Amino acid sequence: EIVLTQSPATLSLSPGERATLSCRASQSVSSYLAWYQQKPGQAPRLLIYDASNRATGIPARFSGSGSGTDFTLTISSLEPEDFAVYYCQQRSNWPLFGQGTRLEIK
Amino acid sequence: EVQLVESGGGLVKPGGSLRLSCAASGFTFSSYSMNWVRQAPGKGLEWVSSISSSSSYIYYADSVKGRFTISRDNAKNSLYLQMNSLRAEDTAVYYCARSIAAAWYDTWGQGTLVTVSS
Repeated sequence: EIVLTQSPATLSLSPGERATLSCRASQSVSSYLAWYQQKPGQAPRLLIYDASNRATGIPARFSGSGSGTDFTLTISSLEPEDFAVYYCQQRSNWPLFGQGTRLEIK
Repeated sequence: EVQLVESGGGLVKPGGSLRLSCAASGFTFSSYSMNWVRQAPGKGLEWVSSISSSSSYIYYADSVKGRFTISRDNAKNSLYLQMNSLRAEDTAVYYCARSIAAAWYDTWGQGTLVTVSS
């Protein structure tokens, strides 16, 4: 079974800073990886799919990269509304989510 | 507007049953695979079950196999999850989600809370 490990568990940054979130798979998932954002009390929102494709309506400050086992979600300049929990998800066998990274205001 | 609205959650005793529904609108429901994803209180996301557009393919997480049944009615634009033999560990918010490329969840409902407790 593929395991997704996200790091760090918590990331403390200020608005305007660059955020780099990591997702590592225990074996190759090719480019079959997505990123979601979830704010308190809300459903998740798809940000990135197939490792690097932005979903409809997602701002250009969000970008995804990587393939195989190492993936990165980058937010180029943090806006106040970007502070949330971020999950990666793979689809190589059964759908599986990482444990999440909490992005909090410093 | 593309929308998914879940209903049917509530408090149920261990061993009991519950049926969740998800009403879809704003898109051609019969063209998309649909899914249930749950989130225990304060925890991460867990995929529960998926059903293809014509119900030909159905999949379950090991944690619910044999106890939960996913189904859909394309004429009614509705998705269902029949949950039997419920356990405390099934307590979660259950989200209905639409798939794109049979894998990514691009539209989510607001969720419905299921609490299994005596």
